[in-house]
Amino acid sequence: QSALTQPASVSGSPGQSITISCTGTSSDVGAYNYVSWYQQHPGKAPKLIIYDVTNRSSGISNRFSGSKSVNTASLTISGLQAEDEADYYCSSYTGRGTVFGGGTKLTV
Amino acid sequence: EVQLVESGGGLVQPGGSLRLSCAASGFPFSSFWMHWVRQVPGRGLVWVSRINIDGSGTTYADSVKGRFTISRDNAKNTLYLQMNSLRAEDTAVYYCARDHYGQATLWGQGTMVTVSS
Repeated sequence: QSALTQPASVSGSPGQSITISCTGTSSDVGAYNYVSWYQQHPGKAPKLIIYDVTNRSSGISNRFSGSKSVNTASLTISGLQAEDEADYYCSSYTGRGTVFGGGTKLTV
Repeated sequence: EVQLVESGGGLVQPGGSLRLSCAASGFPFSSFWMHWVRQVPGRGLVWVSRINIDGSGTTYADSVKGRFTISRDNAKNTLYLQMNSLRAEDTAVYYCARDHYGQATLWGQGTMVTVSS
């Protein structure tokens, strides 16, 4: 199972919006609405921010939103803040397991 | 408090074995499928294995199939990963995670496994 494709890095200024893409195939992202996004700060465990494509995890700011079109999922962060600087990973159910994206480093 | 706590990591020689544990608390462990996910420091997340609620169904990444075994003890609220025939490329932080339809919705803090002579 190949990893989902994410851009290696994105950047934005405080207050701006950014979008991170996550491209899979018709066997994973395109087949199931079980796509999630995780935020990971250096030295910390990943933290769930979006699940089931669009649902925010408990306590997550509404500045974070998720969407999907065919085989590509997207995470949008609006009103960028300094604390949003982190690595972001997507994942998708595949029918027999789970596949993650390669990760995107967000610089604010 | 809802949490997962991994243990059992350490230094092991190539070809050796190690068993990781993940203690769950604060939620009905026996009602959730569970995952193991690993991450080489500085690299991305890689899914390793998943187990169903009673342990009768398991799936593995191709890279660990035949060498790793996931299991659980619902009476002890504990998830396990038995790792045999370890290789240098298995060196990573290993996380356990709670499942929601193939997604990892709650993560432990991780335990480091180093395979080196």
